[in-house]
Amino acid sequence: KNQVEQSPQSLIILEGKNCTLQCNYTVSPFSNLRWYKQDTGRGPVSLTIMTFSENTKSNGRYTATLDADTKQSSLHITASQLSDSASYICVVSAMTGNNRKLIWGLGTSLAVNP
Amino acid sequence: DVKVTQSSRYLVKRTGEKVFLECVQDMDHENMFWYRQDPGLGLRLIYFSYDVKMKEKGDIPEGYSVSREKKERFSLILESASTNQTSMYLCASSLLDTIYFGEGSWLTVV
Repeated sequence: KNQVEQSPQSLIILEGKNCTLQCNYTVSPFSNLRWYKQDTGRGPVSLTIMTFSENTKSNGRYTATLDADTKQSSLHITASQLSDSASYICVVSAMTGNNRKLIWGLGTSLAVNP
Repeated sequence: DVKVTQSSRYLVKRTGEKVFLECVQDMDHENMFWYRQDPGLGLRLIYFSYDVKMKEKGDIPEGYSVSREKKERFSLILESASTNQTSMYLCASSLLDTIYFGEGSWLTVV
């Protein structure tokens, strides 16, 4: 069964600290993995996309990693800011022929406190 | 920038009412989607469309229908709203692998 699991479910950190969010998946056949940021009451916004051949990709203070062998991805946030408080959602794309199916994780809720 | 606009941010409807949620995108994307998002359940796909007048059922289409008469517009219809359809509804459009979401419509059915 295709599944995406994220951990932790929620996280509280102090402003300026780093944190790492995890995404484990059992999706086949794997096409790509994307991280979204969703502010409270808003729609998700894409942070980064990773394909099978990519190990690391950065977007400012956000760095995503992908280990296709262990089927794990992480999102590392450096020097957190109050505006990083949001839900972070991992979504994995499975491609079968011309059909693409997205499997969404439940997200990690991050609170950055001053 | 891509813009996906959902016409209503907050709605309160009565049980049994017919509800229309409208969505417009301005980037000529062929693919459009309707999701609902509930605490503990994440994003669930209701319907999607890959072309005008084309529609495909997602994972939870029961109780919903959609309409795509123009490329830029994708409407979600609740024929007879029920309390279990109280949720946040997200419209999205996509180009290749990138999905762009609207701001969401909060629907409360009383």
